[in-house]
Amino acid sequence: GAVVSQHPSWVICKSGTSVKIECRSLDFQATTMFWYRQFPKQSLMLMATSNEGSKATYEQGVEKDKFLINHASLTLSTLTVTSAHPEDSSFYICSAAPATSREQYFGPGTRLTVT
Amino acid sequence: AQSVTQLGSHVSVSEGALVLLRCNYSSSVPPYLFWYVQYPNQGLQLLLKYTTGATLVKGINGFEAEFKKSETSFHLTKPSAHMSDAAEYFCAVSVGGNEKLTFGTGTRLTIIP
Repeated sequence: GAVVSQHPSWVICKSGTSVKIECRSLDFQATTMFWYRQFPKQSLMLMATSNEGSKATYEQGVEKDKFLINHASLTLSTLTVTSAHPEDSSFYICSAAPATSREQYFGPGTRLTVT
Repeated sequence: AQSVTQLGSHVSVSEGALVLLRCNYSSSVPPYLFWYVQYPNQGLQLLLKYTTGATLVKGINGFEAEFKKSETSFHLTKPSAHMSDAAEYFCAVSVGGNEKLTFGTGTRLTIIP
């Protein structure tokens, strides 16, 4: 149980375009989802926290207009990187937390490369 | 605000030897503590967690960790390393009823045959 999927697992896009990453909780309802960014050989940095049906809470320094987060249902959250640039290339990981547990279940990650 | 310090960004041990990965935390309130493992190009998998109660926590794959409040530590150990243990390990803390996790910088574990 407690499986989280991400799609796509790997994406290449051209500079200036937008790309959407999906995060789904497959067998539980996630009241809260988290989006992290991980640079090579570094730790995970929390970008934002999203609760179903409400606006996401962004961490300091994260551009909310660039990284659009939508948590439209209890099983789906999306991260859209708008007007992507090479410096946005990174590994993006989502996690989902059910209402009944403090535990976050992590997705497998999405590697974004912007050329 | 809480923080996590992992001592040693790289640790190498021989196969069959003891694994010890160090984690110290800072928190003004009782913390929840976690150890995660990450294999290349994958997400994180929970190894074990401490919330309340017994301070020695056993996790998957033979790992365990002990919460020591007096030392503000939560070190991860495994008696006998296996080649499959080679991965990146992250210690994390959450506090105050908020699931928000703060991660350490990670320790890369290498197993020497």
